[in-house]
This record gives sequence, C-alpha cells and structure tokens, in this order.
Amino acid sequence: EPEVTQTPSHQVTQMGQEVILRCVPISNHLYFYWYRQILGQKVEFLVSFYNNEISEKSEIFDDQFSVERPDGSNFTLKIRSTKLEDSAMYFCASSGGTGKGGELFFGEGSRLTVL
Amino acid sequence: GIQVEQSPPDLILQEGANSTLRCNFSDSVNNLQWFHQNPWGQLINLFYIPSGTKQNGRLSATTVATERYSLLYISSSQTTDSGVYFCAVGRGSARQLTFGSGTQLTVLP
Repeated sequence: EPEVTQTPSHQVTQMGQEVILRCVPISNHLYFYWYRQILGQKVEFLVSFYNNEISEKSEIFDDQFSVERPDGSNFTLKIRSTKLEDSAMYFCASSGGTGKGGELFFGEGSRLTVL
Repeated sequence: GIQVEQSPPDLILQEGANSTLRCNFSDSVNNLQWFHQNPWGQLINLFYIPSGTKQNGRLSATTVATERYSLLYISSSQTTDSGVYFCAVGRGSARQLTFGSGTQLTVLP
C-alpha cells in the first residue's frame, strides 16, 4: 500500500542551527502538508502546498520556516535558526489522489530535538 | 477558525469492554478523519468519514454532519487499542485538517 515516508526519523540539533526535514508523499497525490506536534499536545497545521506553491499557512509558519518541492518526489521543510521551542514531532502528509481526494495520509514523523 | 472538542479526554477500560469516543465541531465540514496515534507516535488512519457510518472490524464511526458531531465506537477492546485517538476536520476549499485534543485510551489486561 502506498505510504508517505519521512527522513530522518529523529534529529538532534543545536540551537541556532538549520534543519531540513524530508518527505516523499504518495506518488499520485497533489496536496502536501506539514504538521507539528509538541510533546503531549495536539497536532497543529503548519502549511499546505499545491501546484508548487504554498496554498495555506498557519500563524506558526513564520519566516523561520520554508517549504520546497525540489524535484518530482521530495517535499522538504526547512527550519532556520532553530529554537528550543521548535522541539517537536513533525509530520508530513499528502492528499488528492483519485477516489478519496480529501483524505490525508500521514508519514511516521520526524522527531526534532533542539538542545 | 473551526473548533474541535473531543471527549472524554481520558478513558481507562478493561480488555473486552466497549467504548464510545465523541468529537464535536463548531462549523460545517467536508472532511472528517479519525486517527489512532500509537505509542511510537505514528498517526494511523482509521476512518475518512465526513458523513454517514462506516465499520472496520471492531471499530465503527458515525458522523452526523448536520448536528456537528462524530462518534467512534470501539468494541471488545484489546490492549493494542491503547493510545491517543484524534478527530480532525476540514472545511471549505481549504484542505488542511484541524485536530482535536484527543482521547487518551488505556486498555488494561
């Protein structure tokens, strides 16, 4: 069964460093998303991406964050100058295939720890 | 934005018991999904159910869109059902989901 894959599964970084989280969405999907979940809290929307541009973003997604689809398969989230409060699980998701166009499918997450 | 409330926040059951989890939302939606977050943090799709009723094994779900709520039923619970159950909704042309705070389910052997 097709699935969303994310790398790395866990990354530890020093405060102030840049981090890139990578995702391979399901191949025939058209919409891509990043969410984050701070430990013990609910899952929060960051950004959605369609047709090679951002379609929606939340207040959390400020200038520190950027997304890119550098090729036909990868979708990346870049976090510049990381802060302690960026420590969280980051989930990539995709939707928009044939049939259940609206259903989102999530990857296994990338756990980011900022020291 | 849309508000999503889940109840109860915590639920402890003995293995074999049945349970009902509720999700209320504040506005009309065209997407509603139920997820199970396992102990490793993975979000597992349970149901895509913007309206109607679906069943998958011991789990079933019902969404009454006109009354803005959805229910997730778990029958004959097993210890592997433990984890957090999230309801998430989407509305309009925006495709992103808004998540509730979840129900933490613990099934005791």
